Amino acid sequence: DAKTTQPPSMDCAEGRAANLPCNHSTISGNEYVYWYRQIHSQGPQYIIHGLKNNETNEMASLIITEDRKSSTLILPHATLRDTAVYYCIVRARANAGGTSYGKLTFGQGTILTVHP
Amino acid sequence: DGGITQSPKYLFRKEGQNVTLSCEQNLNHDAMYWYRQDPGQGLRLIYYSQIVNDFQKGDIAEGYSVSREKKESFPLTVTSAQKNPTAFYLCASLGGNTIYFGEGSWLTVV
Repeated sequence: DAKTTQPPSMDCAEGRAANLPCNHSTISGNEYVYWYRQIHSQGPQYIIHGLKNNETNEMASLIITEDRKSSTLILPHATLRDTAVYYCIVRARANAGGTSYGKLTFGQGTILTVHP
Repeated sequence: DGGITQSPKYLFRKEGQNVTLSCEQNLNHDAMYWYRQDPGQGLRLIYYSQIVNDFQKGDIAEGYSVSREKKESFPLTVTSAQKNPTAFYLCASLGGNTIYFGEGSWLTVV
């Protein structure tokens, strides 16, 4: 399974863009990159996902490098409510003979603190 | 509304007892997952199931057991063999490209 590496913590000023990096150098060609965030030990909240093209939705943008070995989650105008732990995960394929769902392995995540 | 329901939200267990955490989904998802989270730590995969009557060990399966008799249900049993079970437990399901999480269950050993 592809592993992800994220910085343990980042700070961002309110109103500025928050850029959260993720390294997934062993990602294979058919694995998706997902981003989730978790606030106060609640269930993680979906943010965005992508395969190889950049993606944007109402919450964030996802920039994936051309070689797919890393990605960046961009919160364009961070607010205090964006303070959370952000997880970058890669969806692995199952072993031979299984379905395509496979394991979902989380790293340690990045603690993003947005300050006034 | 479709979603995942975990119960109970809070559970206390005496040492030596088995306890079962419930996870039910009405999303018609094939794959379901159980994670453990310790304070200040990330999520670690305990067990996962990709289809009814089949499941695989995750990274920290020792001291846990699961069953998948119905598509909607994936209960997790924390056995007495789990020496440090106090943690936050999360259930998730996956369908297509969408992953849904429950709200979690807090287990405390007293």
